[in-house]
Amino acid sequence: AQRVTQPEKLLSVFKGAPVELKCNYSYSGSPELFWYVQYSRQRLQLLLRHISRESIKGFTADLNKGETSFHLKKPFAQEEDSAMYYCALSGQGGSEKLVFGKGTKLTVNP
Amino acid sequence: GAGVSQSPSNKVTEKGKDVELRCDPISGHTALYWYRQSLGQGLEFLIYFQGNSAPDKSGLPSDRFSAERTGGSVSTLTIQRTQQEDSAVYLCASSTTWVSYEQYFGPGTRLTVT
Repeated sequence: AQRVTQPEKLLSVFKGAPVELKCNYSYSGSPELFWYVQYSRQRLQLLLRHISRESIKGFTADLNKGETSFHLKKPFAQEEDSAMYYCALSGQGGSEKLVFGKGTKLTVNP
Repeated sequence: GAGVSQSPSNKVTEKGKDVELRCDPISGHTALYWYRQSLGQGLEFLIYFQGNSAPDKSGLPSDRFSAERTGGSVSTLTIQRTQQEDSAVYLCASSTTWVSYEQYFGPGTRLTVT
């Protein structure tokens, strides 16, 4: 069965500190993994996908198939990073519906 | 261009009443999704429409929930005999067929059942 687990409901860090939002998944096959973000009073939006291997707003995420993880990292957190973050997976090719984790609320304190 | 729109933005209803929530997807997007977002439960998938295919209803929590998509565009999510546990934000998203991972979300409808 497809499953995405985000073990932390809440995560609080200070500005300038490194931040890591954890995501583990369960999928029989080769999934595609994504991070979505929802800033306060804004719509949920795609942040990044593992295939593109890009850094968005200083965030990166590496797919570790051995550990079935896709943790989101940023070396120096900013106050504007405070938001709700959702990890999601889809079947290979992105042609299946997304399965979302329950989300982690990140708060970056000044 | 215009994004996904949803109406109403807020809905307060009494327990036992029926409600209809509307979603207007981005023009040309063939896939449409409904989710429920509630505190502690994250984003729960409800139903998925893809073109002319039969919808994937596997996420609907009970037979009180139904959805339809007319003309491959606008969708309506109907909740019959609402219960207090139905209170949540209902999100709609749409995507193109070939890039279905990039879903564009609407602002949501906040439903409160009293």
